[in-house]
Amino acid sequence: KQEVTQIPAALSVPEGENLVLNCSFTDSAIYNLQWFRQDPGKGLTSLLLIQSSQREQTSGRLNASLDKSSGRSTLYIAASQPGDSATYLCAVGVGGADGLTFGKGTHLIIQP
Amino acid sequence: DAGVIQSPRHEVTEMGQEVTLRCKPISGHNSLFWYRQTMMRGLELLIYFNNNVPIDDSGMPEDRFSAKMPNASFSTLKIQPSEPRDSAVYFCASRLRDGGNQPQHFGDGTRLSIL
Repeated sequence: KQEVTQIPAALSVPEGENLVLNCSFTDSAIYNLQWFRQDPGKGLTSLLLIQSSQREQTSGRLNASLDKSSGRSTLYIAASQPGDSATYLCAVGVGGADGLTFGKGTHLIIQP
Repeated sequence: DAGVIQSPRHEVTEMGQEVTLRCKPISGHNSLFWYRQTMMRGLELLIYFNNNVPIDDSGMPEDRFSAKMPNASFSTLKIQPSEPRDSAVYFCASRLRDGGNQPQHFGDGTRLSIL
């Protein structure tokens, strides 16, 4: 059974810092990996999707990497801003049509 | 374009009552997913549909839970009878299943409280 772990569970940093969120998964036979953002009382917003054949994806100040063989992914946030404060969730898909298996998230606070 | 629409946003009801949660996926999306989120267990997949057909319901916790998708634009998740431990946020998500890698799009969820 696929298990997804996210470290750290919570993180608080001053505005402007670059930071890295970590995600690991136990079964490397994944189809894709997705990073989401969740604001309080809201649904999930998809940030980046990395296909199993890819190494990384970038969107603005966000960069996600994938090392399938070691079962790891990182989300890099450059020049953090208070508006980046949210919970970040990592999820893996094991087939093109399957549902996702989620980690429990990293609760991020960016201090102004 | 409208995103995934869920209703109601909040539901408070007494133990033993029937609860029905509703979801309208994004137009054109042909895969639909129901998830449940709790503090203890995080987000868990309950069931998903492809082209209105249930594919995997192994995440449905008990026979008290049932889901239907009568057409491409509507799905329901029903709990009967409801119990306090069913209290959670229930999310619906949809995606375009085109053989490639498409992201899932989530609704804002239904916050369910069973007293």
